[in-house]
Amino acid sequence: LAKTTQPISMDSYEGQEVNITCSHNNIATNDYITWYQQFPSQGPRFIIQGYKTKVTNEVASLFIPADRKSSTLSLPRVSLSDTAVYYCLVGDIRGSARQLTFGSGTQLTVLP
Amino acid sequence: KAGVTQTPRYLIKTRGQQVTLSCSPISGHRSVSWYQQTPGQGLQFLFEYFSETQRNKGNFPGRFSGRQFSNSRSEMNVSTLELGDSALYLCASSLVFGESGKNTGELFFGEGSRLTVL
Repeated sequence: LAKTTQPISMDSYEGQEVNITCSHNNIATNDYITWYQQFPSQGPRFIIQGYKTKVTNEVASLFIPADRKSSTLSLPRVSLSDTAVYYCLVGDIRGSARQLTFGSGTQLTVLP
Repeated sequence: KAGVTQTPRYLIKTRGQQVTLSCSPISGHRSVSWYQQTPGQGLQFLFEYFSETQRNKGNFPGRFSGRQFSNSRSEMNVSTLELGDSALYLCASSLVFGESGKNTGELFFGEGSRLTVL
């Protein structure tokens, strides 16, 4: 199982770029890195997924260095509604016998 | 397209009782997985089902069980409830590639069932 480590909390201001880093030293060859966002009393929502290098979609970017032992979720120009807990998930989620490890989550608070 | 539906949303039980939670996946999603979320332990994987078969299980006691029906709907059961079982139980569904059962990699979560054990 790939154990992950994230900062417990982060504060930012509206309009700023936020980078949340996840450490996963024992990531396996077949593991993917996925980030989820969760609001109180709701289930997590998929943000972005990657295997290596950089992935970008309409809401975020994911940077993965060559050794894949960490990853950084980048949220451009955050707003108050981005206040949530962000989870880093590492695992062979495309495999039929998968083991998934959710990180402890990072509470992002966006201030006005 | 309807999302993942979990019922009931809230329930209160007493120690020693048993509980059954239900999950209806997104139409066409054949993989269903369950998670327990508590303030102290965070999100923990319980088990995953595909084609009515449990193909992976997390580190939980045998009191936690589940099943999947032919229409991909899933239920989980917790017997002999303990105070520590109070949690938000989340169900997620995902698409798979053909009959290989390999996930596409994106999980869609329901809003969860909030269980309180008194």
